[in-house]
Amino acid sequence: QVQLVQSGAEVKKPGASVKVSCKASGYTFTSYGISWVRQAPGQGLEWMGWISAYNGNTNYAQKLQGRVTMTTDTSTSTAYMELRSLRSDDTAVYYCAGVRMVRGVIIHYGMDVWGQGTTVTVSS
Amino acid sequence: SYELTQPPSVSVSPGQTARITCSGDALPKQYAYWYQQKPGQAPVLVIYKDSERPSGIPERFSGSSSGTTVTLTISGVQAEDEADYYCQSADSSGTLFGGGTKLTVL
Repeated sequence: QVQLVQSGAEVKKPGASVKVSCKASGYTFTSYGISWVRQAPGQGLEWMGWISAYNGNTNYAQKLQGRVTMTTDTSTSTAYMELRSLRSDDTAVYYCAGVRMVRGVIIHYGMDVWGQGTTVTVSS
Repeated sequence: SYELTQPPSVSVSPGQTARITCSGDALPKQYAYWYQQKPGQAPVLVIYKDSERPSGIPERFSGSSSGTTVTLTISGVQAEDEADYYCQSADSSGTLFGGGTKLTVL
């Protein structure tokens, strides 16, 4: 079945970087784009950005421009999200989620498959 | 800046109908999506493109749109439907989530 499996929890100091992975299985990797969504403790969902697994095109949330980089490795069907210059308010659960595409075109923006989430804690 | 506005909470008794609204100026031009999130779990897509239901989602979940407001309706609410619900809209420039609504089944 279609599945996204994320890397394990991370604890980082302020100013450091974190890189979270999201390995896809059960489908053709390029038939989904990957969105990254985070959720701070007790808070709502925040969209971070999106990458097309078809051609590597990205679209980042304006708030995170310059601090976030999303990449894919089609040879391993894995997407990555790197966040730099971490602050305490980056403490959150980070999710990857799939957006369906056909030949590089988004069918709709609903995220119908999600990873299990990766907890990132930023603390000195 | 553009926002999606949801009520913080909605309460219903089992078997009743729950309606959760989401308002935003771009909604007449963009489709809305709805997610259910239970504690400690990843969100689950329950409605896409305003009113379409993914496979595996019970028929009691439905969506509708009127002007700047979209509505998630849960008919015959069950105890297992108690969760946080988020609306989402998107276009090629980005994605936005509403603040979320906590549905309590009394």
